[in-house]
Amino acid sequence: DIQMTQSPSTLSASVGDRVTITCRASQSISNSLAWYQQKPGKAPKLLIYKASSLESGVPSRFSGSGSGTEFTLTINSLQPDDFATYYCQLYNDYYRTFGQGTRVEIK
Amino acid sequence: EVQLVESGGGLVQPGGSLRLPCEASGFTFSSYAMSWVRQAPGKGLEWVSTISASGGSTFYANSVKGRFTISRDNSRNTLYVQMNSLRAEDTAVYYCARKSQSSSNFDYWGQGTLVTVSS
Repeated sequence: DIQMTQSPSTLSASVGDRVTITCRASQSISNSLAWYQQKPGKAPKLLIYKASSLESGVPSRFSGSGSGTEFTLTINSLQPDDFATYYCQLYNDYYRTFGQGTRVEIK
Repeated sequence: EVQLVESGGGLVQPGGSLRLPCEASGFTFSSYAMSWVRQAPGKGLEWVSTISASGGSTFYANSVKGRFTISRDNSRNTLYVQMNSLRAEDTAVYYCARKSQSSSNFDYWGQGTLVTVSS
């Protein structure tokens, strides 16, 4: 099975900061990667799919990049609403594997 | 408006069974693959199972294969998961999610229902 590893596990940042989260796959997955945001007590929200495509309605300060085994989620100019946990997710036909999550907290 | 509403969660003893329904509205349910994703308390997300739009194909995580069965009733716009031989490690919030036709990812989620496996 392909493993997904996110880093860091926790990230402390301030409003206005540029934040980068990394996700590494244990083998090449082309661009079959998505990013989700989850706030406490809420369901996840799709942000990015196909590694770099922005889901409709998601602010443009979110961007994704990468292919193969290394991927990044970047949040430009962090906003108060962005403090949450972020998950990468491999998708392969009907199978899905999530990373362990990165919590973005207020510095 | 797309809505997914899970129900049926609760406390069940180890070895017991539970069936969770997820009622869908606001879209053509029979045109979309659907999934269950769970989250243990304080932990990350874990994909559990997916069923194709017609119901003819089903897929499971290794952790639940042979114990859980996903199904759907397109006439009732309802997704189900039958959970048997439950273990303490199955304790989690269970979400149903719609698989987007354009992105192949989960574009709508329910609010989740908590299943607690404990004696």
